[in-house]
Amino acid sequence: EPEVTQTPSHQVTQMGQEVILRCVPISNHLYFYWYRQILGQKVEFLVSFYNNEISEKSEIFDDQFSVERPDGSNFTLKIRSTKLEDSAMYFCASSLTAGNVDTQYFGPGTRLTVL
Amino acid sequence: DQQVKQNSPSLSVQEGRISILNCDYTNSMFDYFLWYKKYPAEGPTFLISISSIKDKNEDGRFTVFLNKSAKHLSLHIVPSQPGDSAVYFCAASGRNSGNTPLVFGKGTRLSVIA
Repeated sequence: EPEVTQTPSHQVTQMGQEVILRCVPISNHLYFYWYRQILGQKVEFLVSFYNNEISEKSEIFDDQFSVERPDGSNFTLKIRSTKLEDSAMYFCASSLTAGNVDTQYFGPGTRLTVL
Repeated sequence: DQQVKQNSPSLSVQEGRISILNCDYTNSMFDYFLWYKKYPAEGPTFLISISSIKDKNEDGRFTVFLNKSAKHLSLHIVPSQPGDSAVYFCAASGRNSGNTPLVFGKGTRLSVIA
């Protein structure tokens, strides 16, 4: 069964460093998302992406964050200068279509630890 | 601002009995609802969904009920099995153009006791 994959599974970085989290969505999906879950809190939407541009983003997704689809398979989330409060699980998701009746499938997550 | 609320952080059920997980929402623009299951160190796994035009959707042991007037949905698992032990997230999305981000509840940890 097709699945969303994410690398690395765990990333440790120093405050102020740049990190890139990588995702390979399900191959025929066209819509891509990043969510995060701070320990003990709920899963929160960061950004959605379609046709090589951001469709929607939350207040969390400030200028420190960017997303890119550098080739036909990868979807990346970059944090330019990490802060302690960026420590969280980051989940990538993809869906075949847009709209509110399609299912988003999640990857296993990358645990980001900022020291 | 909790638009999706799961008021029970945990639930314990005996194997073979029914598990009922509840979810309330406040945003009347939500019209598609999903349940995800999450094991430790894994991403949320889609379980079942329901559109607002329905009040019930069933898939094997899992049934989701939607009460639009009460802005309440529930997930029934029957019979419950030890492998169902996980955190269950309720999620909702609304009538936006383009991509629709999911709004999640905080989750309910279900423990099925053998």
